[in-house]
Amino acid sequence: QKEVEQDPGPLSVPEGAIVSLNCTYSNSAFQYFMWYRQYSRKGPELLMYTYSSGNKEDGRFTAQVDKSSKYISLFIRDSQPSDSATYLCAMSGRDNQGGKLIFGQGTELSVKP
Amino acid sequence: DSGVTQTPKHLITATGQRVTLRCSPRSGDLSVYWYQQSLDQGLQFLIQYYNGEERAKGNILERFSAQQFPDLHSELNLSSLELGDSALYFCASSVGNSGGEETQYFGPGTRLLVL
Repeated sequence: QKEVEQDPGPLSVPEGAIVSLNCTYSNSAFQYFMWYRQYSRKGPELLMYTYSSGNKEDGRFTAQVDKSSKYISLFIRDSQPSDSATYLCAMSGRDNQGGKLIFGQGTELSVKP
Repeated sequence: DSGVTQTPKHLITATGQRVTLRCSPRSGDLSVYWYQQSLDQGLQFLIQYYNGEERAKGNILERFSAQQFPDLHSELNLSSLELGDSALYFCASSVGNSGGEETQYFGPGTRLLVL
Protein backbone atom coordinates (compact mmCIF):
# COMPACT_ATOMS: atom_id res chain seq x y z
CA GLN A 1 0.00 0.00 0.00
CA LYS A 2 1.30 3.44 -0.91
CA GLU A 3 1.78 6.00 1.85
CA VAL A 4 -0.33 8.50 -0.07
CA GLU A 5 -3.27 7.54 -2.27
CA GLN A 6 -4.78 9.86 -4.83
CA ASP A 7 -7.34 9.12 -7.52
CA PRO A 8 -5.53 9.72 -10.82
CA GLY A 9 -8.72 10.65 -12.66
CA PRO A 10 -8.91 11.99 -15.28
CA LEU A 11 -11.54 14.41 -14.04
CA SER A 12 -13.46 16.54 -16.53
CA VAL A 13 -15.74 19.38 -15.43
CA PRO A 14 -17.49 22.31 -17.13
CA GLU A 15 -16.21 25.83 -16.60
CA GLY A 16 -17.55 27.35 -13.41
CA ALA A 17 -17.92 24.03 -11.58
CA ILE A 18 -16.65 23.35 -8.08
CA VAL A 19 -13.86 20.80 -8.15
CA SER A 20 -12.99 18.52 -5.24
CA LEU A 21 -9.65 16.72 -5.17
CA ASN A 22 -8.70 14.32 -2.41
CA CYS A 23 -5.87 12.31 -0.94
CA THR A 24 -5.67 9.78 1.84
CA TYR A 25 -2.55 8.80 3.69
CA SER A 26 -1.40 6.18 6.14
CA ASN A 27 1.57 7.76 7.94
CA SER A 28 0.45 9.55 11.10
CA ALA A 29 3.83 11.33 11.26
CA PHE A 30 2.86 13.63 8.40
CA GLN A 31 2.44 17.18 9.67
CA TYR A 32 2.79 19.33 6.58
CA PHE A 33 0.40 19.08 3.66
CA MET A 34 0.72 20.66 0.27
CA TRP A 35 -1.02 20.84 -3.07
CA TYR A 36 1.05 21.33 -6.19
CA ARG A 37 -0.20 22.08 -9.67
CA GLN A 38 1.69 20.69 -12.64
CA TYR A 39 1.04 21.75 -16.19
CA SER A 40 2.04 19.31 -18.88
CA ARG A 41 5.80 18.75 -19.03
CA LYS A 42 6.45 21.52 -16.49
CA GLY A 43 7.74 21.55 -12.94
CA PRO A 44 5.22 21.36 -10.08
CA GLU A 45 4.28 24.71 -8.55
CA LEU A 46 3.07 25.10 -4.99
CA LEU A 47 -0.61 26.06 -4.67
CA MET A 48 -1.46 25.55 -1.03
CA TYR A 49 0.44 24.71 2.15
CA THR A 50 -1.17 23.64 5.42
CA TYR A 51 0.31 22.67 8.73
CA SER A 52 -1.59 20.04 10.74
CA SER A 53 -5.39 19.99 10.66
CA GLY A 54 -7.69 22.76 9.53
CA ASN A 55 -8.72 24.81 6.54
CA LYS A 56 -6.87 27.34 4.47
CA GLU A 57 -8.33 29.55 1.77
CA ASP A 58 -6.56 31.45 -1.00
CA GLY A 59 -8.78 33.02 -3.61
CA ARG A 60 -10.70 30.30 -5.42
CA PHE A 61 -8.73 27.56 -3.67
CA THR A 62 -9.47 25.96 -0.29
CA ALA A 63 -7.36 23.27 1.33
CA GLN A 64 -8.67 21.08 4.11
CA VAL A 65 -6.78 18.67 6.33
CA ASP A 66 -8.42 16.13 8.60
CA LYS A 67 -5.66 14.36 10.46
CA SER A 68 -8.05 12.17 12.42
CA SER A 69 -9.26 10.64 9.16
CA LYS A 70 -5.90 10.98 7.39
CA TYR A 71 -7.65 12.79 4.58
CA ILE A 72 -6.87 16.01 2.74
CA SER A 73 -8.85 17.90 0.14
CA LEU A 74 -8.46 20.73 -2.31
CA PHE A 75 -11.52 22.62 -3.51
CA ILE A 76 -11.47 24.84 -6.57
CA ARG A 77 -14.40 27.23 -6.93
CA ASP A 78 -15.52 28.75 -10.23
CA SER A 79 -13.10 26.53 -12.13
CA GLN A 80 -11.51 27.97 -15.26
CA PRO A 81 -9.99 26.33 -18.35
CA SER A 82 -6.63 27.63 -17.12
CA ASP A 83 -7.03 25.33 -14.09
CA SER A 84 -6.63 22.34 -16.40
CA ALA A 85 -3.54 20.59 -15.07
CA THR A 86 -2.45 17.71 -12.88
CA TYR A 87 -2.87 18.32 -9.17
CA LEU A 88 -0.51 16.59 -6.81
CA CYS A 89 -0.93 16.29 -3.08
CA ALA A 90 2.30 16.11 -1.08
CA MET A 91 3.12 15.51 2.56
CA SER A 92 6.07 15.70 4.86
CA GLY A 93 6.95 14.78 8.38
CA ARG A 94 8.98 16.45 11.05
CA ASP A 95 12.52 17.70 10.70
CA ASN A 96 14.15 14.36 11.54
CA GLN A 97 12.82 12.95 8.30
CA GLY A 98 14.63 15.56 6.27
CA GLY A 99 12.71 17.56 3.76
CA LYS A 100 11.48 14.79 1.55
CA LEU A 101 8.00 15.15 0.18
CA ILE A 102 5.79 12.14 -0.39
CA PHE A 103 3.53 12.73 -3.37
CA GLY A 104 0.25 11.25 -4.46
CA GLN A 105 -0.07 9.98 -8.02
CA GLY A 106 -1.68 13.21 -9.14
CA THR A 107 -5.19 13.88 -10.47
CA GLU A 108 -5.49 15.09 -14.04
CA LEU A 109 -8.14 17.82 -14.26
CA SER A 110 -9.70 19.17 -17.42
CA VAL A 111 -12.01 22.20 -17.28
CA LYS A 112 -14.07 22.54 -20.44
CA PRO A 113 -15.21 25.99 -21.65
CA ASP B 1 9.50 30.96 -13.04
CA SER B 2 10.54 29.37 -9.74
CA GLY B 3 14.14 30.57 -9.93
CA VAL B 4 15.45 26.99 -10.02
CA THR B 5 17.28 26.13 -13.21
CA GLN B 6 18.01 22.72 -14.63
CA THR B 7 20.10 21.64 -17.58
CA PRO B 8 19.76 20.04 -19.99
CA LYS B 9 16.03 20.16 -20.71
CA HIS B 10 16.12 16.99 -22.75
CA LEU B 11 18.57 14.12 -22.87
CA ILE B 12 18.51 11.09 -25.14
CA THR B 13 21.03 8.37 -24.54
CA ALA B 14 21.55 4.64 -24.83
CA THR B 15 21.42 1.85 -22.29
CA GLY B 16 24.63 1.41 -20.34
CA GLN B 17 25.62 5.04 -20.65
CA ARG B 18 26.22 7.64 -17.94
CA VAL B 19 24.68 11.10 -17.79
CA THR B 20 24.90 14.11 -15.49
CA LEU B 21 21.98 16.38 -14.70
CA ARG B 22 22.64 19.81 -13.32
CA CYS B 23 20.62 22.02 -11.00
CA SER B 24 21.09 25.57 -9.75
CA PRO B 25 18.92 26.44 -6.75
CA ARG B 26 17.15 29.73 -6.15
CA SER B 27 19.40 32.48 -4.91
CA GLY B 28 19.85 32.08 -1.15
CA ASP B 29 18.53 28.52 -0.96
CA LEU B 30 20.84 26.05 0.75
CA SER B 31 18.87 22.82 0.26
CA VAL B 32 18.58 20.96 -3.01
CA TYR B 33 16.29 18.00 -3.59
CA TRP B 34 16.14 15.55 -6.48
CA TYR B 35 12.95 13.81 -7.56
CA GLN B 36 12.14 11.33 -10.30
CA GLN B 37 8.77 11.35 -12.04
CA SER B 38 7.68 8.36 -14.09
CA LEU B 39 4.26 7.31 -15.33
CA ASP B 40 4.05 4.23 -13.15
CA GLN B 41 5.75 5.48 -9.96
CA GLY B 42 4.69 9.12 -9.92
CA LEU B 43 6.92 11.75 -8.33
CA GLN B 44 9.44 10.12 -5.99
CA PHE B 45 12.05 11.67 -3.73
CA LEU B 46 15.61 10.61 -4.45
CA ILE B 47 17.97 12.63 -2.27
CA GLN B 48 18.46 15.94 -0.44
CA TYR B 49 21.59 17.99 0.10
CA TYR B 50 21.92 20.86 2.51
CA ASN B 51 24.87 23.22 2.24
CA GLY B 52 27.02 20.55 0.63
CA GLU B 53 26.10 17.68 2.92
CA GLU B 54 23.73 14.80 2.25
CA ARG B 55 20.66 15.33 4.44
CA ALA B 56 18.10 12.71 3.46
CA LYS B 57 17.91 9.78 1.12
CA GLY B 58 14.95 8.15 -0.58
CA ASN B 59 14.78 5.12 -2.83
CA ILE B 60 17.76 6.18 -4.87
CA LEU B 61 19.40 3.41 -6.85
CA GLU B 62 23.06 2.59 -6.22
CA ARG B 63 23.72 3.46 -9.88
CA PHE B 64 22.66 7.02 -9.09
CA SER B 65 24.69 9.51 -7.10
CA ALA B 66 24.52 13.20 -6.38
CA GLN B 67 26.57 15.97 -4.90
CA GLN B 68 26.25 19.62 -4.01
CA PHE B 69 29.15 21.92 -4.73
CA PRO B 70 30.45 24.91 -2.73
CA ASP B 71 28.53 27.30 -5.01
CA LEU B 72 25.42 25.25 -4.03
CA HIS B 73 24.63 23.91 -7.47
CA SER B 74 24.00 20.20 -7.56
CA GLU B 75 24.57 17.38 -9.99
CA LEU B 76 22.77 14.07 -10.27
CA ASN B 77 24.81 11.34 -11.92
CA LEU B 78 23.02 8.39 -13.46
CA SER B 79 25.16 5.47 -14.63
CA SER B 80 24.67 2.10 -16.31
CA LEU B 81 21.41 3.46 -17.60
CA GLU B 82 18.47 1.14 -18.19
CA LEU B 83 15.30 1.64 -20.19
CA GLY B 84 13.38 2.01 -16.94
CA ASP B 85 15.41 5.07 -15.98
CA SER B 86 13.57 7.07 -18.63
CA ALA B 87 11.70 9.71 -16.66
CA LEU B 88 11.45 13.37 -15.77
CA TYR B 89 14.03 14.38 -13.19
CA PHE B 90 13.21 17.42 -11.09
CA CYS B 91 15.35 19.45 -8.81
CA ALA B 92 13.80 21.53 -6.05
CA SER B 93 15.32 23.95 -3.59
CA SER B 94 14.42 25.47 -0.25
CA VAL B 95 15.93 28.06 2.04
CA GLY B 96 17.10 25.91 4.92
CA ASN B 97 16.95 22.54 6.55
CA SER B 98 13.77 22.63 8.62
CA GLY B 99 12.20 19.57 7.06
CA GLY B 100 8.55 19.82 6.20
CA GLU B 101 8.33 23.46 7.25
CA GLU B 102 10.27 24.42 4.17
CA THR B 103 8.58 25.34 0.92
CA GLN B 104 10.20 23.55 -1.97
CA TYR B 105 10.41 25.28 -5.34
CA PHE B 106 10.72 23.03 -8.35
CA GLY B 107 12.74 23.51 -11.48
CA PRO B 108 11.45 22.81 -15.01
CA GLY B 109 12.93 19.32 -15.05
CA THR B 110 15.17 17.27 -17.31
CA ARG B 111 13.46 14.74 -19.55
CA LEU B 112 15.65 11.66 -19.90
CA LEU B 113 15.00 9.09 -22.59
CA VAL B 114 17.06 5.92 -22.57
CA LEU B 115 16.93 3.97 -25.82
